[in-house]
Amino acid sequence: DAGITQSPRHKVTETGTPVTLRCHQTENHRYMYWYRQDPGHGLRLIHYSYGVKDTDKGEVSDGYSVSRSKTEDFLLTLESATSSQTSVYFCAISEGDGNQPQHFGDGTRLSIL
Amino acid sequence: SQKIEQNSEALNIQEGKTATLTCNYTNYSPAYLQWYRQDPGRGPVFLLLIRENEKEKRKERLKVTFDTTLKQSLFHITASQPADSATYLCALDASGGGADGLTFGKGTHLIIQP
Repeated sequence: DAGITQSPRHKVTETGTPVTLRCHQTENHRYMYWYRQDPGHGLRLIHYSYGVKDTDKGEVSDGYSVSRSKTEDFLLTLESATSSQTSVYFCAISEGDGNQPQHFGDGTRLSIL
Repeated sequence: SQKIEQNSEALNIQEGKTATLTCNYTNYSPAYLQWYRQDPGRGPVFLLLIRENEKEKRKERLKVTFDTTLKQSLFHITASQPADSATYLCALDASGGGADGLTFGKGTHLIIQP
């Protein structure tokens, strides 16, 4: 299995609080992604990174920010969590662009009450 | 608008038969299409990638076809086994080879019955 670790695996928090999810990889892959998965919507891209300090928005980026200060770590921050951000969040890594497979972590289940 | 459609209903197949899953897309011109397997509580696992100039790709009991005229990919599992039961996701590279992530279908839940 690709070396991807997401933390925490589960989190329950209250509306309005800041939340940071961490994705750590040991594969030295250039590309990293954050997706959310919700019933009826499938996986949707939030933000992605194509190198250290190089990030861009995905389909559902509103309310989220990311940072990548090291190759191995990609952080997703919810500045002020809302109930609509209750979801399962997956991090993925890839060696290249769309012609390469993505390898996923096992997700973070986040509940915003 | 751009759309990826997979069988929304669960697909029940008897063990030993061939399971065929469909992925249709509209308003995309993908350079690549990928298939993933997802088990409950786990992240998706990559299975196969097929390029726009490839008609078919095989890996063990798996076969993928890609018809850019019909805008459709078919995913086949031959000699299916109960262990093949999972949700299968198709994903395409919406940017034509760029690095900005994949667009996923909602997945088809496959059940292989003994």
